[in-house]
Amino acid sequence: AQSVTQLGSHVSVSEGALVLLRCNYSSSVPPYLFWYVQYPNQGLQLLLKYTSAATLVKGINGFEAEFKKSETSFHLTKPSAHMSDAAEYFCAVSDRGSNYKLTFGKGTLLTVNP
Amino acid sequence: AAGVIQSPRHLIKEKRETATLKCYPIPRHDTVYWYQQGPGQDPQFLISFYEKMQSDKGSIPDRFSAQQFSDYHSELNMSSLELGDSALYFCASSLLVLGTSDTDTQYFGPGTRLTVL
Repeated sequence: AQSVTQLGSHVSVSEGALVLLRCNYSSSVPPYLFWYVQYPNQGLQLLLKYTSAATLVKGINGFEAEFKKSETSFHLTKPSAHMSDAAEYFCAVSDRGSNYKLTFGKGTLLTVNP
Repeated sequence: AAGVIQSPRHLIKEKRETATLKCYPIPRHDTVYWYQQGPGQDPQFLISFYEKMQSDKGSIPDRFSAQQFSDYHSELNMSSLELGDSALYFCASSLLVLGTSDTDTQYFGPGTRLTVL
């Protein structure tokens, strides 16, 4: 079974600082990986995805993630945090053997301090 | 661009009542997924449909059932509601056409917040 582990349930950064949210995956086949963002009381918005093309993936709002097979990682980064980035971030892996259902990590709450 | 529509957005029910949640996928999307997100939890897969047929089933209680209709909208029916069913229920849709850049990308609706009293 595929799974993802998000290291750190809560990350706090200062405005303008680097954002690094960690995600490691476990998969017996080449994975499809996703990052979603959830603002309070809202749905899940796709930030970016990796589907075996370029290993460095750029998403919306200045976020990017790099797929590293040797480290089984797909960490999310943003060079400079903005107050509006405060939200819950979920890493997810797609199960191509089960109609592409998503398995999510436990989520990381990002807070941005002024 | 059109997004996934879910109704109602909020629903309050008593224990042992029934509830029906509706999902309208993005036009031309052929696959619908349902997820349940408990308070402070990650979303958990419940069930999915591809071309109106059930394609996969997760940790969905027997009290719950779902279907996808000819117009591709889907309904999640929940009976004998329990306090533990209180959660945010998401619907997501995708277009499973192999070889397209958007294959395997699920787009989520805003969710239905169900509160069971």
